[in-house]
Amino acid sequence: DAKTTQPTSMDCAEGRAANLPCNHSTISGNEYVYWYRQIHSQGPQYIIHGLKNNETNEMASLIITEDRKSSTLILPHATLRDTAVYYCIRSGGGADGLTFGKGTHLIIQP
Amino acid sequence: GAVVSQHPSWVICKSGTSVKIECRSLDFQATTMFWYRQFPKQSLMLMATSNEGSKATYEQGVEKDKFLINHASLTLSTLTVTSAHPEDSSFYICSASKQAGTEAFFGQGTRLTVV
Repeated sequence: DAKTTQPTSMDCAEGRAANLPCNHSTISGNEYVYWYRQIHSQGPQYIIHGLKNNETNEMASLIITEDRKSSTLILPHATLRDTAVYYCIRSGGGADGLTFGKGTHLIIQP
Repeated sequence: GAVVSQHPSWVICKSGTSVKIECRSLDFQATTMFWYRQFPKQSLMLMATSNEGSKATYEQGVEKDKFLINHASLTLSTLTVTSAHPEDSSFYICSASKQAGTEAFFGQGTRLTVV
């Protein structure tokens, strides 16, 4: 059980912002929200993570709602190379492996 | 970031033979590494947790005698698929974190095809 819900697929035009939603309504107080992406036939790539506050790095921004029941990953200027499956994962911060759901297949259209 | 490297990237083996896959953390030490398996059009499934200097912990349904894991040093874990069969054909991926509970870095994966 991935314990997160994401749309199966999304399209976005190249150069536009891609906003990927994730629902994690049963998240615990000590669980972080992590985002990874997997380009076809490669290992997953870490993107960003957060606990309560919004976060931004060179790849993306993460917006977490105040009640922490959902979040949105934002790729500010999507390129064709951002086409991938994006996984939203809850993790308690311990030394455990990750539980992957089905993710969102983001397709960037030229 | 950090670099995790797997070798080989792909391998084809005959049914009944064994195959070893290496996972290395190149610029950090990892007391714990994880092994995942991914079948076509499916998500990653955690197979086992590899612990340096001790026995691996396997997820339910994963045969420990078939998937041998050795974590002999802080930078190397190996997964050996013993007596491989066509149904073991899959994409095997490892991961490691610089510290427990922090972001995981993944290897590029190993595509195993058993013929």
